[in-house]
Amino acid sequence: GAVVSQHPSWVICKSGTSVKIECRSLDFQATTMFWYRQFPKQSLMLMATSNEGSKATYEQGVEKDKFLINHASLTLSTLTVTSAHPEDSSFYICSAKGRGQDTQYFGPGTRLTVL
Amino acid sequence: QQQVKQSPQSLIVQKGGISIINCAYENTAFDYFPWYQQFPGKGPALLIAIRPDVSEKKEGRFTISFNKSAKQFSLHIMDSQPGDSATYFCAASTGSYIPTFGRGTSLIVHP
Repeated sequence: GAVVSQHPSWVICKSGTSVKIECRSLDFQATTMFWYRQFPKQSLMLMATSNEGSKATYEQGVEKDKFLINHASLTLSTLTVTSAHPEDSSFYICSAKGRGQDTQYFGPGTRLTVL
Repeated sequence: QQQVKQSPQSLIVQKGGISIINCAYENTAFDYFPWYQQFPGKGPALLIAIRPDVSEKKEGRFTISFNKSAKQFSLHIMDSQPGDSATYFCAASTGSYIPTFGRGTSLIVHP
């Protein structure tokens, strides 16, 4: 089956620093990647959609200058949380779809804690 | 944004019982309906999916029932086990549309 990895699985950082989260599709080419944020016991909140080689499309209310998304290759997308603050602490999950695929496959998530 | 309404928000079932989670959608263009299972601290994993050309799909203890005219679909978990305790999300999508997720159902299966 299709496998998506995320790194790191958890990260703790100080307020004001930047954190980069990587999302990789291991056995398929991901033409589209999605980034979600999830609060405890809540649903998935779509942050942005990125297509390989294109700029990400951000959902309303998501600061594109704070959450930088890069989808430079068909197997890698990165989310950089810039100048992180405690309110950015959350569970970030990526997912990926291949060309012509209906199913999106999720990564295992990254727990970000900002002190 | 297209909506997918999921119910119930939480569900408690005894071991061996049947768990039923329902979803309703609005956009008749949707043509792919997956269900995801998520354990705490993990990403969602695809459980089972259906297309509108069939009314039911079964994989092991998991069955999707699909009612195209009512724009509803449901997940049935037969012989529910404590290991099935998780959050379940339904979703709907088509082509270039961004997949739309339900709000999730927290299932607890008591031993």
